[in-house]
Amino acid sequence: EPEVTQTPSHQVTQMGQEVILRCVPISNHLYFYWYRQILGQKVEFLVSFYNNEISEKSEIFDDQFSVERPDGSNFTLKIRSTKLEDSAMYFCASSLPLGTSGQETQYFGPGTRLLVL
Amino acid sequence: GNSVTQMEGPVTLSEEAFLTINCTYTATGYPSLFWYVQYPGEGLQLLLKATKADDKGSNKGFEATYRKETTSFHLEKGSVQVSDSAVYFCALSVITGGGNKLTFGTGTQLKVEL
Repeated sequence: EPEVTQTPSHQVTQMGQEVILRCVPISNHLYFYWYRQILGQKVEFLVSFYNNEISEKSEIFDDQFSVERPDGSNFTLKIRSTKLEDSAMYFCASSLPLGTSGQETQYFGPGTRLLVL
Repeated sequence: GNSVTQMEGPVTLSEEAFLTINCTYTATGYPSLFWYVQYPGEGLQLLLKATKADDKGSNKGFEATYRKETTSFHLEKGSVQVSDSAVYFCALSVITGGGNKLTFGTGTQLKVEL
């Protein structure tokens, strides 16, 4: 069964450093998402991406965040200058195109645990 | 805006007990409703879903019915097992031109003991 993959599984970085989190969505999906989960808290939406542009973003997704689909398979989240409060589990998800049966279901990757020291 | 409220945890049950985890929602538009499960140290897995009123989602013995009149989507299982110990998240999405971002509840931790 197709699945969403994410790398790395864990990342430790120093405050102020840039990090790039990588995701490979399911191949026939066209909508891509990033969510984060601070330890012990709820899962929060960061951004959705379609047709090579951001389609929606939350107030969390400020100028230090960016997303990119650099090739036909990868979807990345970049945090330019990490802060302590960026420490969280980051989940990538993907879904089918709108108008497709099952369009409402998002499939999640296993997550990247980011620790900022 | 959209929001999901689910019962506080942790919920501790004995094996073979009946499980109910309450979930209510508010939404602009007509949402799809989901239960996701997160096992210790793992990511989010879709457990079940319902896309319209009165639909019942079911999987692995878990069930939830989309109740529009009470804006609820309570999760139930007749006989829990130790292996069901996990955190359960209720969520909704409303499809817009921007996609269908998920709005999650705070999660309910379930512990099942022998």
